[in-house]
Amino acid sequence: AQSVSQHNHHVILSEAASLELGCNYSYGGTVNLFWYVQYPGQHLQLLLKYFSGDPLVKGIKGFEAEFIKSKFSFNLRKPSVQWSDTAEYFCAVRSGSARQLTFGSGTQLTVLP
Amino acid sequence: DTEVTQTPKHLVMGMTNKKSLKCEQHMGHRAMYWYKQKAKKPPELMFVYSYEKLSINESVPSRFSPECPNSSLLNLHLHALQPEDSALYLCASSQTGGGEKLLFGSGTQLSVL
Repeated sequence: AQSVSQHNHHVILSEAASLELGCNYSYGGTVNLFWYVQYPGQHLQLLLKYFSGDPLVKGIKGFEAEFIKSKFSFNLRKPSVQWSDTAEYFCAVRSGSARQLTFGSGTQLTVLP
Repeated sequence: DTEVTQTPKHLVMGMTNKKSLKCEQHMGHRAMYWYKQKAKKPPELMFVYSYEKLSINESVPSRFSPECPNSSLLNLHLHALQPEDSALYLCASSQTGGGEKLLFGSGTQLSVL
């Protein structure tokens, strides 16, 4: 069965700091990987996704993520965070044999002005 | 129209009430989903409809009853709920039933008294 781990439960950064949120999954075959963001009081929005090809994917709002197959990781990065990036971030995986997404437990990012 | 619309946005109900949550999309997506999300937790899949047929029921109690009247509409009928059922109920859709690239609605915040 597929599973997703997000080890950082709460990250606090100052504006302009660099961000990296960890995501590891447990499935050895073909995977589709996603990062979703949920701003306070809002619904889940897709930040970026990886299906195949270039392992470095760029998403909206300056976010990017790198798929490292050997490490079963899909970490989310942003060079310089803003106060408006304060939100809950969910990593999700869909493996080749599974039909549905499995979400990680989420990371709450708080950016201090 | 590129949105998933959910109504109502907020719902308060007693344990003996019967109510329904509604979800609508007009993007031609053939898969629709119900997720339940507790505060600060990841979304948990409840049901999936693919081509208007129930394809996944994640062992959800029978007090939750989904219905898909047509390819654009998805309902969740609620009856005899418990206080622990209080949560944000999210509807989502995707082009196919594979769970990739879900588009989420803003949710219905349900409180059961």
